[in-house]
Amino acid sequence: GAVVSQHPSRVICKSGTSVKIECRSLDFQATTMFWYRQFPKQSLMLMATSNEGSKATYEQGVEKDKFLINHASLTLSTLTVTSAHPEDSSFYICSARMGLTNEQYFGPGTRLTVT
Amino acid sequence: QKEVEQNSGPLSVPEGAIASLNCTYSDRVSQSFFWYRQYSGKSPELIMSIYSNGDKEDGRFTAQLNKASQYVSLLIRDSQPSDSATYLCAVNPPSSGSARQLTFGSGTQLTVLP
Repeated sequence: GAVVSQHPSRVICKSGTSVKIECRSLDFQATTMFWYRQFPKQSLMLMATSNEGSKATYEQGVEKDKFLINHASLTLSTLTVTSAHPEDSSFYICSARMGLTNEQYFGPGTRLTVT
Repeated sequence: QKEVEQNSGPLSVPEGAIASLNCTYSDRVSQSFFWYRQYSGKSPELIMSIYSNGDKEDGRFTAQLNKASQYVSLLIRDSQPSDSATYLCAVNPPSSGSARQLTFGSGTQLTVLP
């Protein structure tokens, strides 16, 4: 299957700081990338949809000024959590859609802990 | 009615048995269907995709799609303890538009007992 990387895998930051998470499709060009959040023992929650060169589309209830998404190329999308607070602590996962098949491939995830 | 429904489980099967996971979806004109496996603390991994009615086999996995009944299932033959995970059913409904977002079920937790 296709490979999606995500960096960092784990980050601990202090309340009020910003954290950037990178998502890369390594062996295919992704027409669309998605960002999800998952709290312990809960379902995946879609946060936003990102297309290369255009503004991200955010799901209802997700603050676009807090979760900044940049999709600079067909292989790279970044999520920046600005002014992080402890309630932002979660497992953030990106996925990349392969255009022809609509299959989504997930990155390994980033575990964010805000202290 | 939820767009994609799965029994949350837990489902327990003995090693070597067939595990059967079921999923129903509400949007009749959905075209793409996927099964993901998610181990605890890890991200989802795509294990099967199916687009047309019938069965699709890949190793020990068989996906079955019945669009008339709006039903998709995953069979795991010769279940192994390493198959113990949460299995997520995902559907790409037409309402997702060009973005082709997936709608996920809440997942079925499978435990294979040695």
